[in-house]
Amino acid sequence: QVQLQQSGAELMKPGASVKISCKATGYTFSSYWIEWVKQRPGHGLEWIGEILPGSGSTNYNEKFKGKATFTADTSSNTAYMQLSSLTSEDSAVYYCARSRLRDYFDYWGQGTTLTVSS
Amino acid sequence: QIVLTQSPAIMSASLGEEITLTCSASSSVSYMHWYQQKSGTSPKLLIYSTSNLASGVPSRFSGSGSGTFYSLTISSVEAEDAADYYCHQWSSYPTFGGGTKLEIK
Repeated sequence: QVQLQQSGAELMKPGASVKISCKATGYTFSSYWIEWVKQRPGHGLEWIGEILPGSGSTNYNEKFKGKATFTADTSSNTAYMQLSSLTSEDSAVYYCARSRLRDYFDYWGQGTTLTVSS
Repeated sequence: QIVLTQSPAIMSASLGEEITLTCSASSSVSYMHWYQQKSGTSPKLLIYSTSNLASGVPSRFSGSGSGTFYSLTISSVEAEDAADYYCHQWSSYPTFGGGTKLEIK
């Protein structure tokens, strides 16, 4: 069965960077886009961007260019999102999700809670 | 970007009631997708490409619409349907609606 398992909660200081992982099982990792979504209370769901692990192709929401960087390791079926220069505005739950044809997100990870605080 | 506006923001429904949640797009989109998010969990795909039920989703859920107006209907609300519901489109890039919170009376 398809599963996306994300790394655990993170507590980071302002200005630091963090790398969140998303390990995929149960399907051909290289063939599906991994999408990244941010959720903050009162701000709904926000698409950060995506990576196609097989080719390394990436697309970013303009708002997150320079903030987020996506990578993927096909040997371990794991996608990563690095967030840099963290501020309190980055405190949120981050989800990875899967899409086949860049249309809908059919499976989601359990979410990673990031708290940025001094 | 295409802005999705969901209404109502909060809906209170009785068990067995039929309800409709709506999603209005700022520009025409080809398809709409819907997700259900229960408290403390990740979103779950409910309906894809406007009217197709995702695997395992009960048949009391249905979706319809076209252009700039889409809807999600629950034919007979059950207690387990209490959740936030989000619409989602992908034209130029993905955007989500602000969500509708469904409360059960």
